Amino acid sequence: DTAVSQTPKYLVTQMGNDKSIKCEQNLGHDTMYWYKQDSKKFLKIMFSYNNKELIINETVPNRFSPKSPDKAHLNLHINSLELGDSAVYFCASSPGLQLGTQYFGPGTRLLVL
Amino acid sequence: AQTVTQSQPEMSVQEAETVTLSCTYDTSENNYYLFWYKQPPSRQMILVIRQEAYKQQNATENRFSVNFQKAAKSFSLKISDSQLGDTAMYFCAFFPYNQGGKLIFGQGTELSVKP
Repeated sequence: DTAVSQTPKYLVTQMGNDKSIKCEQNLGHDTMYWYKQDSKKFLKIMFSYNNKELIINETVPNRFSPKSPDKAHLNLHINSLELGDSAVYFCASSPGLQLGTQYFGPGTRLLVL
Repeated sequence: AQTVTQSQPEMSVQEAETVTLSCTYDTSENNYYLFWYKQPPSRQMILVIRQEAYKQQNATENRFSVNFQKAAKSFSLKISDSQLGDTAMYFCAFFPYNQGGKLIFGQGTELSVKP
């Protein structure tokens, strides 16, 4: 069973479009995250959610809107896609905010043309 | 601001040899975790090893061990008996207890294991 899953794995789209990435975890964790990995492979946190509540919004543009319908799901919607949004987006989860180990999904490679 | 530095962008090692990857971090926090994650070409982020800052004993996981020097803020990863499957990008990451759960990553070290 996949612990943290993301769909889709690949996303190719035009500038200006709106797209969503879905994430689900079956680990029973309370906390979920979105990270962005840029073209130089640098990883940076975007958002963290704990029990469906937003905890961190790390100066991410308003075009990015996470939504957590329940503790097992954290989706990422991106409006008006820009070339600079091209990256790999990783979802992760952990048992709690202070229970350090985070388990990552397989990543979604987004390419904006 | 807390930062994590991996000063070796690329390294290579012969199969069966030992290699050490360096990591230093900067923080005023006293309570935190440190991690090494591995990212093979498949892109999956895989946890290699974890160290709690309050523990003096260095963590080990089979062929992987760390040298944690809290005063020096250093956290190196030693891979013994390197295998071809160890070829990957390795990321050092710092986790402060009270900052919303964020992991702060280093720039990564690309490790190639040569036959």
